[in-house]
Amino acid sequence: EAQVTQNPRYLITVTGKKLTVTCSQNMNHEYMSWYRQDPGLGLRQIYYSMNVEVTDKGDVPEGYKVSRKEKRNFPLILESPSPNQTSLYFCASWPLAGGGIQYFGPGTRLLVL
Amino acid sequence: AQSVTQPDIHITVSEGASLELRCNYSYGATPYLFWYVQSPGQGLQLLLKYFSGDTLVQGIKGFEAEFKRSQSSFNLRKPSVHWSDAAEYFCAVGNNAGNNRKLIWGLGTSLAVNP
Repeated sequence: EAQVTQNPRYLITVTGKKLTVTCSQNMNHEYMSWYRQDPGLGLRQIYYSMNVEVTDKGDVPEGYKVSRKEKRNFPLILESPSPNQTSLYFCASWPLAGGGIQYFGPGTRLLVL
Repeated sequence: AQSVTQPDIHITVSEGASLELRCNYSYGATPYLFWYVQSPGQGLQLLLKYFSGDTLVQGIKGFEAEFKRSQSSFNLRKPSVHWSDAAEYFCAVGNNAGNNRKLIWGLGTSLAVNP
């Protein structure tokens, strides 16, 4: 089944404790992206990647890191999480050709205490 | 500036009633237009898209949308709503060009369905 998977789905952590949220897609898509969703603010792009070893900032990159060592994986790293990073995070992937239709993972709900 | 406006934050309809969710956009280039749905606890799922051609497009779950260039609108419609349609609906616009190829997202419309 073609899909985007994220792990974990739910995470509670404390300020300053490094964490990684994994994202994997099995559709051989070139593009991958991380979004955060907050009430009243909609979806905001954190980082995106055009292909292996090619990443760039989105609209709200501060406090986040990403890497794209393999085409299928695009982990999101919070090296020192803060309470303002409490949010719902989505990973998405899409192909270079295909009109920009994005395929989303199920989301990761993060609470930083 | 590029933007997408969904004027209705929250809408409540009765089951079986018709539905129209509004979407207006501001975009310099010829846009690709999308509607996504987010059910509670789920990721976003594509309902329908418009790239070119017929301005009335059909999607999944009985939804349709009409692209009106003169009004910069892409409203979503359904003739008869089901209780399972209760969800958050997002309109998005892009043009599949450039490095990012990102979508510009509206803030969403939350749909509640009364039995």
